[in-house]
Amino acid sequence: EGQLLESGGGLVQPGGSLRLSCAASGFTFNTFAMSWVRQAPGKGLEWVSYLSASGGDTYYADSVKGRFTISRDNSNNALYLQMNFLRVEDTAIYYCARLQGPWWFDPWGQGTLVTVSS
Amino acid sequence: EIVLTQSPGTLSLSPGERATLSCRASQSVTSGYLAWYQQKSGQAPRLLIYSASTRTTGIPDRFSGSGSGTDFTLTISRLEPEDFAVYYCQQYATSPVTFGGGTKVEIK
Repeated sequence: EGQLLESGGGLVQPGGSLRLSCAASGFTFNTFAMSWVRQAPGKGLEWVSYLSASGGDTYYADSVKGRFTISRDNSNNALYLQMNFLRVEDTAIYYCARLQGPWWFDPWGQGTLVTVSS
Repeated sequence: EIVLTQSPGTLSLSPGERATLSCRASQSVTSGYLAWYQQKSGQAPRLLIYSASTRTTGIPDRFSGSGSGTDFTLTISRLEPEDFAVYYCQQYATSPVTFGGGTKVEIK
């Protein structure tokens, strides 16, 4: 079935940086594309970034393009999100999720909270 | 990008009742590329349905999805206590993938 566990969230000042990690287990990680999806407090879901199984293809939401970088380490079953030039509006719970089929998400991790505030 | 509008925003029902949730797209969602998720308070979203009408493994058959084009529906035939949650639709027909704003199903 698969499990995902995020870490690395916390409080950071505007303009700062943070690196999120997602540890995968229970499935063959290097055969699945992965994504990050975020949820601002009390709000809906927003797709953030995509990374192909090999790591060769990446896509980003316009709201984070040029500031966030997605990467993976298939030898350690890990997904990452490097977030630079953080803004107050980046405050959210960040979920990693495995992609299935054309592009639906299953399963999801439990999420890690990123708070951008001075 | 495709904008998904979910209605109603909140649905107040009693256990045992039928819930009908709507997801309307700003343009056609080709190939029925639409998924539904359930999110309970303090938890991550969970996939219920993909391809508009296919239940994923482990989802009870009281959950059903239907629709095509721009209009999609999630139906819960008889609400169980554990079904009270927020439900989101998501389209993956065009990039970027987008989610609806959610429908909260609350206990009346």
